[in-house]
Amino acid sequence: AQSVSQHNHHVILSEAASLELGCNYSYGGTVNLFWYVQYPGQHLQLLLKYFSGDPLVKGIKGFEAEFIKSKFSFNLRKPSVQWSDTAEYFCAVNGPQAGTALIFGKGTTLSVSS
Amino acid sequence: EAGVAQSPRYKIIEKRQSVAFWCNPISGHATLYWYQQILGQGPKLLIQFQNNGVVDDSQLPKDRFSAERLKGVDSTLKIQPAKLEDSAVYLCASSPRTASGNTIYFGEGSWLTVV
Repeated sequence: AQSVSQHNHHVILSEAASLELGCNYSYGGTVNLFWYVQYPGQHLQLLLKYFSGDPLVKGIKGFEAEFIKSKFSFNLRKPSVQWSDTAEYFCAVNGPQAGTALIFGKGTTLSVSS
Repeated sequence: EAGVAQSPRYKIIEKRQSVAFWCNPISGHATLYWYQQILGQGPKLLIQFQNNGVVDDSQLPKDRFSAERLKGVDSTLKIQPAKLEDSAVYLCASSPRTASGNTIYFGEGSWLTVV
């Protein structure tokens, strides 16, 4: 069955700490991978995406993620978090065909203290 | 470029009442999705349209939920009768019909509380 697993439900960090959020997926065939962020009271926003090519992708606000095909993983990283990064982070996967729906993980809540 | 528009933003209803949510996707986007996001969980696909045809409604509780996209543009999601467990955010999303780069864009969501 197609699924996305996010290992951490709630992560608490101090400002300037490094961040890594785990994401593993189960999906047959070629995949597109995404990280979305949802700030309190706001809509889902695309943080970064992987379609093909360089497995290390860089997104907005200093985030990056690495696709490791052999591990079915797409972990999100940021070297130094800020208080404004407090949000919920969702990993998602879909297929390469146009119009393929996203399958989401359950999300990880990140709380950053100043 | 205008984003995905949804209304109403917030709705509180009693159980067994009905409610309808409206969505207008990004102009030119052929694919429209409705997702349900229960507090503490990731969004779950309810139904997907390609133009005005249904592609996937396997997770739509059809005894109480219905959705339509009559002219292939905007869409309405209806719940009748509502149950307490329907309390959630209903997200509309759209994507263009491209050969690759299948990015999906989300609206701000319609927050439903059933009491």
